[in-house]
Amino acid sequence: ETGVTQSPTHLIKTRGQQVTLRCSSQSGHNTVSWYQQALGQGPQFIFQYYREEENGRGNFPPRFSGLQFPNYSSELNVNALELDDSALYLCASSLGPFGGYTFGSGTRLTVV
Amino acid sequence: SQQGEEDPQALSIQEGENATMNCSYKTSINNLQWYRQNSGRGLVHLILIRSNEREKHSGRLRVTLDTSKKSSSLLITASRAADTASYFCATDSDNQGGKLIFGQGTELSVKP
Repeated sequence: ETGVTQSPTHLIKTRGQQVTLRCSSQSGHNTVSWYQQALGQGPQFIFQYYREEENGRGNFPPRFSGLQFPNYSSELNVNALELDDSALYLCASSLGPFGGYTFGSGTRLTVV
Repeated sequence: SQQGEEDPQALSIQEGENATMNCSYKTSINNLQWYRQNSGRGLVHLILIRSNEREKHSGRLRVTLDTSKKSSSLLITASRAADTASYFCATDSDNQGGKLIFGQGTELSVKP
């Protein structure tokens, strides 16, 4: 049984650029949730995908968007990057929206 | 916004001592979960307690839940240097579409 895999591990982007982060869910899991964790803070919910449909969204602007693929892997896209987007981005998969969550190791995004 | 508040923000103890962390939350919940995070990496699920449970044990971990006070505590007994990490509580509520709402975390340092 594989866990949740996120790529890349680290990324540096320039303000105004676009970025795509990837997440492979744990085997058998059909739900993926994305979280943003600023330094020294707890993770904040961005959105959740269940069976390829968005199933809930946190308080993030539309320039944060996502996709879930038929194999239940997922992408997080952020357009027009801002300095405040610098954070650790965590992906969590679960069996169903209310299942137990398995988190990946995260992608550390730095916007300069 | 964060659902929970954790107390204390930082805790420093000697190996062998017990560590207690507290979490308060605002809305009704389905369950409350505790996670550990080492050095800003991925979250590791420790324990889940449902709203109709009052206490749960897992190895050296003991979690209590008081829904009337909207609070929970995590006790780590006989702490080890390897327990040094940040600890987060997260709530799962029906009206939150399956997302987890995290507290700010407690940074635990266990000195050998």
